[in-house]
This record gives sequence, C-alpha cells and structure tokens, in this order.
Amino acid sequence: QVQLVESGGGLVKPGGSLRLSCAASGFTFSDYYMSWIRQAPGKGLEWVSNIRSSGSTIYYADSVKGRFTISRDNAKNSLYLQMNSLRAEDTAVYYCARGKYYIDYWGQGTLVTVSS
Amino acid sequence: EIVMTQSPATLSVSPGERATLSCRASQSVSSNLAWYQQKPGQAPRLLIYGASTRATGIPARFSGSGSGTEFTLTISSLQSEDFAVYYCQHYNNWPPETFGQGTKLEIK
Repeated sequence: QVQLVESGGGLVKPGGSLRLSCAASGFTFSDYYMSWIRQAPGKGLEWVSNIRSSGSTIYYADSVKGRFTISRDNAKNSLYLQMNSLRAEDTAVYYCARGKYYIDYWGQGTLVTVSS
Repeated sequence: EIVMTQSPATLSVSPGERATLSCRASQSVSSNLAWYQQKPGQAPRLLIYGASTRATGIPARFSGSGSGTEFTLTISSLQSEDFAVYYCQHYNNWPPETFGQGTKLEIK
C-alpha cells in the first residue's frame, strides 16, 4: 500500500533552517509528481510546492519562493523540502503528498514550529 | 490567483440526514475540482476529483456536482464517521492549487 512518511520537523528560531524528508513506498515513486502542502494550527490547507516526476519542473507558492527548495531522489524514493529564512508564519504541519493536480495520498505530516 | 470560497463555515446536521456543502471559485475552473475530508489529528483524504468522480474506496453516499464556478458536495445519509472538515481545491491553471477555507460538518 502507498505510504508517505515525513520526518525532520521541529522547533527552530526565526531566520533558521530546516530540512524535511519524505520516504515513499508502495508505488513507483519516479512516476509521480510530488507535493508539499502545509496547514497552520487550526487553519486550512496551503499548497507549498510541487515537483515533476523527473525533477525537471518545480513550482512554489509565492509565500515561500526564494526561501524553500523542493527536491527529490528517485533512487532513494525520497522527497525533500529545504526551508531557509524561516518565519513565524511558516509554523505548520507539513504534509508530503502524491499528485500533480489533486492529491490522492497524503503523509501523516510533520510539525514545524518557528519561534524564539 | 483563483480564490475558492466554501459555505457555510459550519453545518449542523443530524445523523441520517442529507448534508450539502458548497464551494465557489472566483473564476471558472471547469471541472478541475477536488473535495477532501479531514478528521481531527489526521491528514486529509481525497473524496472526489474531476468535480464528480469518487476516489477509490469512497462510499456512494458521497457525491459531487457542478462545473465552472459553482460546486456542491452532497452526503446523502450522514454516518457518525462523516463528521469532519471538508475542503474543496481547484487544479485549473495551476499553480497555485488553492484550497477553500473549509466547512466543518458537525452533529446537530
């Protein structure tokens, strides 16, 4: 069965950096677009970034452009999100998700808290 | 950026009754719309894509309709496990793939 397992979340100070990872299994990872979607505490869902199956095409939300970098390693069935210059408003649960248009599988999420 | 607006914010319905949730797009998204269900402490789950196609394993009591700017998610006979927050999301002319703010479906 499809599994997406995120890791790397935690508490970081404003201006700091964090790298999230997502381990995928149960499907041919290299065939799929992958996404990161976040949810601030008690709030709705916000699309963050996605990456083509080959890694050749990448998109970012305006709110993270220039600060976050999405990448993937198809040999390791892994998706990553490098987050720099973190702000308080980046505090959220970050979900690794499969899909180009709609999301058919989600990870359980990893919490990122940006606070001094 | 296309803005998705869901109504109502909270809907109170009794078990066994029908629930109707609405989603409006600020401009046409054709049929490029999905619905998700999210329960507390869980990740969202895909219910509907293409405005009206049920995802794998989704019960027939969930149905989606609409196109253009107006969409509806109907749950024909509410079960206890259906009380949750529901989000719509467009994927027309993406990115960004924006979500609505959600409708909380609660027990009356």
